[in-house]
Amino acid sequence: NAGVTQTPKFQVLKTGQSMTLQCAQDMNHNSMYWYRQDPGMGLRLIYYSASEGTTDKGEVPNGYNVSRLNKREFSLRLESAAPSQTSVYFCASSELAGGVYEQYFGPGTRLTVT
Amino acid sequence: EDKVVQSPLSLVVHEGDTVTLNCSYEVTNFRSLLWYKQEKKAPTFLFMLTSSGIEKKSGRLSSILDKKELSSILNITATQTGDSAIYLCAASSYDKVIFGPGTSLSVIP
Repeated sequence: NAGVTQTPKFQVLKTGQSMTLQCAQDMNHNSMYWYRQDPGMGLRLIYYSASEGTTDKGEVPNGYNVSRLNKREFSLRLESAAPSQTSVYFCASSELAGGVYEQYFGPGTRLTVT
Repeated sequence: EDKVVQSPLSLVVHEGDTVTLNCSYEVTNFRSLLWYKQEKKAPTFLFMLTSSGIEKKSGRLSSILDKKELSSILNITATQTGDSAIYLCAASSYDKVIFGPGTSLSVIP
């Protein structure tokens, strides 16, 4: 089992460029999440997908879009990157079981926008 | 607005010390309280707490939830340099997880 995988691991973008961060999980989990982590801010939820076919905004969705492509894959797109989006991005997945669950995290993508 | 608060935000201790990390939460439709350890990369799971007053233990780490006070503590006894990390507390509702800012723990020899 690879768990949760993310690509790319590192990325540098110029302001205004677009890119898609890919995430896949092989644990047959229903729920998937995208977080960003900035120094002193902990993990902030960008978007989540409680189940295949559904997506919802989290705490900081502005400037991002997501696609739950199938049960395994959940991508995060930056349409027009801004320096404020420089961060480390983590994808996570969990198996919803009566609303009580733990999350498994991918290794992260370090994004720098210049 | 849902939120999770942790204290202290950073802590420096000597090897062998015992530390207590605090977490408080305000989350609608609360389901569980989770603790994670984050070293250089992704957070790794430590504990999930759903019932008040029941301590969970794993080696030198233990944690307990107080639903009346909307809080949890994480204790680490006989700390080692390998315990140096950011400890994240998170509260889950039905369909999402809210993280606190983390406590950065440094254990010096």
